[in-house]
Amino acid sequence: QQQVKQSPQSLIVQKGGISIINCAYENTAFDYFPWYQQFPGKGPALLIAIRPDVSEKKEGRFTISFNKSAKQFSLHIMDSQPGDSATYFCAVTNYGGSQGNLIFGKGTKLSVKP
Amino acid sequence: EAQVTQNPRYLITVTGKKLTVTCSQNMNHEYMSWYRQDPGLGLRQIYYSMNVEVTDKGDVPEGYKVSRKEKRNFPLILESPSPNQTSLYFCASSLSDRGNSPLHFGNGTRLTVT
Repeated sequence: QQQVKQSPQSLIVQKGGISIINCAYENTAFDYFPWYQQFPGKGPALLIAIRPDVSEKKEGRFTISFNKSAKQFSLHIMDSQPGDSATYFCAVTNYGGSQGNLIFGKGTKLSVKP
Repeated sequence: EAQVTQNPRYLITVTGKKLTVTCSQNMNHEYMSWYRQDPGLGLRQIYYSMNVEVTDKGDVPEGYKVSRKEKRNFPLILESPSPNQTSLYFCASSLSDRGNSPLHFGNGTRLTVT
């Protein structure tokens, strides 16, 4: 059973547009939801993370929206830029639990066209 | 510079020839882990270590071995590589083994087994 489902698999957005990537999870015990960004030839790096006590978290042009009842969370990239072209992974885990429980989604490859 | 260093970056080998991929971190991190990244499958955890001499299986441990004799090093060993182990491998570390501790990834090792 897939613990976290990420969509779409790939996304093409025009410069200045909004990129939206969605993730859904099954286990309500998860209480920490990070997003990682991976540029070609590099390892992933933490971009932004949210806990379920808030419905939204914003850092610059990047926003996570969280819907606890629907067990879904989304990454929104406002004013998308070519430099945002990367693969994005959502993940689920337990805030105070073992790092070994971290589960990644399958990733979304974002291309921002100039 | 704080970093996770993997070697080699690229490796081509033949079925059955034992190999080791090295991983070293200079951040005094407690937690280290290995992931493989395959198209359409995302990042899957192979093994992880919460501290020296403590290792545990991830989601896809078959065909792999690890050891954690020193805090900074966490080598990945393939005793008898097979073609289905052709993949992009990432080592990661974090300050603690708690779920809210950001993972720091190396730049990857692309392994081809013929």
